[in-house]
Amino acid sequence: EVVLAQSPGTLSLSVGERATLSCRASQSVLGTYLAWYQRKPGQAPRLLIYGISTRAPGIPDRFSGSGSGTDFTLTISSLEPEDFAVYYCQQYGASPWTFGQGTKLEIK
Amino acid sequence: EVQLVESGGGLVQPGGSLRLSCSASGFDFSTYAMTWVRQAPGKGLQWVASITGTGKIAYYADSVRGRFSISRDNSRKTVDMQMNSLRDDDTAVYYCAKNSYGYYFDHWGQGTLISVSS
Repeated sequence: EVVLAQSPGTLSLSVGERATLSCRASQSVLGTYLAWYQRKPGQAPRLLIYGISTRAPGIPDRFSGSGSGTDFTLTISSLEPEDFAVYYCQQYGASPWTFGQGTKLEIK
Repeated sequence: EVQLVESGGGLVQPGGSLRLSCSASGFDFSTYAMTWVRQAPGKGLQWVASITGTGKIAYYADSVRGRFSISRDNSRKTVDMQMNSLRDDDTAVYYCAKNSYGYYFDHWGQGTLISVSS
């Protein structure tokens, strides 16, 4: 099973700052099969990025994904108030499809 | 607009059974695999089970294999999960999710809560 470790657990930043969220896999993720989701309280998770770096429809271009192998990054270039949420990475290259434990992005 | 609406959650005793259902609309249902994902209190997301668009192949997490069964009815656009021999650690919010062109999930329902407790 591919275990995904996200860091930091909590990230405290201000509106307008740049956010960098990390996702590290216990073994190399097959192909480009890495996705990112955003989760706000009381809402369903929302797909942000798939294929490591492809934004899902409707996702603003301040969100970007990068990485390869075992190390992946979600970057939010300039935080907006609505971006404060929990973010999860997920690998879908090998079953069981696994998620990271999440990074909480909170307002400083 | 894609919509996924779960139902069937509730309180059940350990060892009991429950059946979840997810009603889908807004997309060509039979074309896409469907998945159940859960989130236990204070924990992250966990993939539970998936079923292909035809319904012929199902995949399960080790923790639920042999106890849970996923199925779908493409004529009714529903995907169900029969959960038997429920345990305390099955307590979670269960989400129905639509697979995209792979095993990542481009639409999710709002979730339904299962509490397993005596």
